[in-house]
Amino acid sequence: AQSVTQLDSHVSVSEGTPVLLRCNYSSSYSPSLFWYVQHPNKGLQLLLKYTSAATLVKGINGFEAEFKKSETSFHLTKPSAHMSDAAEYFCVVSDRRSSNTGKLIFGQGTTLQVKP
Amino acid sequence: ETGVTQSPTHLIKTRGQQVTLRCSSQSGHNTVSWYQQALGQGPQFIFQYYREEENGRGNFPPRFSGLQFPNYSSELNVNALELDDSALYLCASSLSGAGGIREQFFGPGTRLTVL
Repeated sequence: AQSVTQLDSHVSVSEGTPVLLRCNYSSSYSPSLFWYVQHPNKGLQLLLKYTSAATLVKGINGFEAEFKKSETSFHLTKPSAHMSDAAEYFCVVSDRRSSNTGKLIFGQGTTLQVKP
Repeated sequence: ETGVTQSPTHLIKTRGQQVTLRCSSQSGHNTVSWYQQALGQGPQFIFQYYREEENGRGNFPPRFSGLQFPNYSSELNVNALELDDSALYLCASSLSGAGGIREQFFGPGTRLTVL
């Protein structure tokens, strides 16, 4: 069975400082991994995805994530936080066996707070 | 190109009632997935519809059912509502074909409150 664990339920950073949101995954098969962001009263937006190409994945709004198979991790980073980055972030896994059913498995979420 | 839309945005029901939620998929997409997001939790997969048939289901009881129409829009029906059904219901559309499913695009959700 596949799962994701987001290691921090809440992260607080100051504007202009780096962001690190941590995610570990478990999958019996070669996984596809995603990070989604959810702003209040808005739908989920895909930030980036890993599907077995380059292990360092660049996404929108300056975010990137590195797939580390040896550590079963897929941490999300951004060099400099902006106030507009404050939102809920979800790490998501979909293994290739279930990819044809489109079943995405979400972590519990990390709330990112950005202080001025 | 229009995105994924859902209706209604908010809904209040009482225990035992039935509810229907609606989703219009993004133009060109043929697959719709439904997720339930309880407060403070990540979304959980309910089921998916492809070519008007259920194509995968999560750990939800049969009182959760759905439909997909020829224009690829979809409905989620929940019978015999329980208090724990209170949640944000998210619809996601995608394009399925050779090579599997591509990126899922989410709607803004329907907030269901069961009293």
